[in-house]
Amino acid sequence: QQQVKQSPQSLIVQKGGISIINCAYENTAFDYFPWYQQFPGKGPALLIAIRPDVSEKKEGRFTISFNKSAKQFSLHIMDSQPGDSATYFCAASMGGNMLTFGGGTRLMVKP
Amino acid sequence: KAGVTQTPRYLIKTRGQQVTLSCSPISGHRSVSWYQQTPGQGLQFLFEYFSETQRNKGNFPGRFSGRQFSNSRSEMNVSTLELGDSALYLCASSLVQENTEAFFGQGTRLTVV
Repeated sequence: QQQVKQSPQSLIVQKGGISIINCAYENTAFDYFPWYQQFPGKGPALLIAIRPDVSEKKEGRFTISFNKSAKQFSLHIMDSQPGDSATYFCAASMGGNMLTFGGGTRLMVKP
Repeated sequence: KAGVTQTPRYLIKTRGQQVTLSCSPISGHRSVSWYQQTPGQGLQFLFEYFSETQRNKGNFPGRFSGRQFSNSRSEMNVSTLELGDSALYLCASSLVQENTEAFFGQGTRLTVV
């Protein structure tokens, strides 16, 4: 099974709050888990990525938490800003550059 | 450093026609992947090319095809267009083949009428 399930579909957060988006996968052969941010009219842009040998990775306000045994990973956006309002996609791949994407989360950060 | 360039940005075609979309990857990148994005199905993998060879193919009908040239530029072709082919078609380039950062272009918005 190649599916990656993402939740929630939409999320509203107050400025300064923490945004949390979760993803779950089934295929244990996946070994690369990136997160993408997409603004309207633009292509997805890579935010941060993790491999299964690491449980957490932080880059600025963005953190990926990875739970290999539960086959779950999540994106945390600290101190969320209105400029973070976008659609976020988790993805997974197993060798090569064939990405399987989650369904996306539309984030709105209210001022 | 120039990003991934996709042309054209917008296309309107009639059912039954065919269309060719173009993608120029980031200079030095040798892997090019194509994705279809629709509101209903989300982002779906079409195919991946590396060194002019198709390495992976997604679950799409044979009407969808692609190729890669020696300069790593890639084209995808959709023949006998259907209304359901209306979508944003995205190209992503990566330096090499194995799980490296994929950089997306802005896409080609195809509308089939």
